[in-house]
Amino acid sequence: EVQLVQSGTEVKKPGESLKISCKGSGYSFATYWIGWVRQMPGKGLEWMGIIYPDDSDTRYSPSFRGQVTISADKSTSTTYLQWTNLKASDTAIYYCARGLSTVDHWGQGTLVSVSS
Amino acid sequence: DVVLTQSPLSLPVTLGQPASISCRSSQGLLSSDGNTYLHWFQQRPGQSPRRLIFKVSNRDSGVPDRFSGTGSGTYFTLKISRVEADDVASYYCMQGTHWPHTFGQGTKLEIK
Repeated sequence: EVQLVQSGTEVKKPGESLKISCKGSGYSFATYWIGWVRQMPGKGLEWMGIIYPDDSDTRYSPSFRGQVTISADKSTSTTYLQWTNLKASDTAIYYCARGLSTVDHWGQGTLVSVSS
Repeated sequence: DVVLTQSPLSLPVTLGQPASISCRSSQGLLSSDGNTYLHWFQQRPGQSPRRLIFKVSNRDSGVPDRFSGTGSGTYFTLKISRVEADDVASYYCMQGTHWPHTFGQGTKLEIK
């Protein structure tokens, strides 16, 4: 069974750094693209970027390029989403999702709350 | 970026009645490989999105046949033949043809 299991809720202050994770299992992790999707409170879904774990080929949506870093470790079947300078506007649920031209499996979501 | 415009954004429906959501794209979604990467997702309150329909009209495993997708080019539709209480959710179209991939704004279905 394909599963994407994300790390837990994070409560941070503005200016702090953060790295959240998404661990895949039940399939060949390295050979499927994994993307990250943001959902701000009460809002819709936004693609942030996507990575191919086998060679770490990464693409960012223009809105998120330079704001976050996406990485992957195929030895642990885990992909990461990282911030170095969190803002209150980064408060959202972040989902990882498998696939490039389509998405067939989603993680359970990680709530990130940024407040002073 | 490709803009997907959904209509309506709010959809009150009586149980047992049909429902229809449209998704209009600012660019054609036919890929050079011959596929049209337009998909539909359901997101129930407090849950992760779940794919219902992929590549315009293909229903995912376990999705009731009350759900159907049609369309081509720049205009696509998700139809529910008879709405049930379990269908209360937000519905999103998504295109995977052009990077960055994009979602529609979402349509919130509620029971009237």
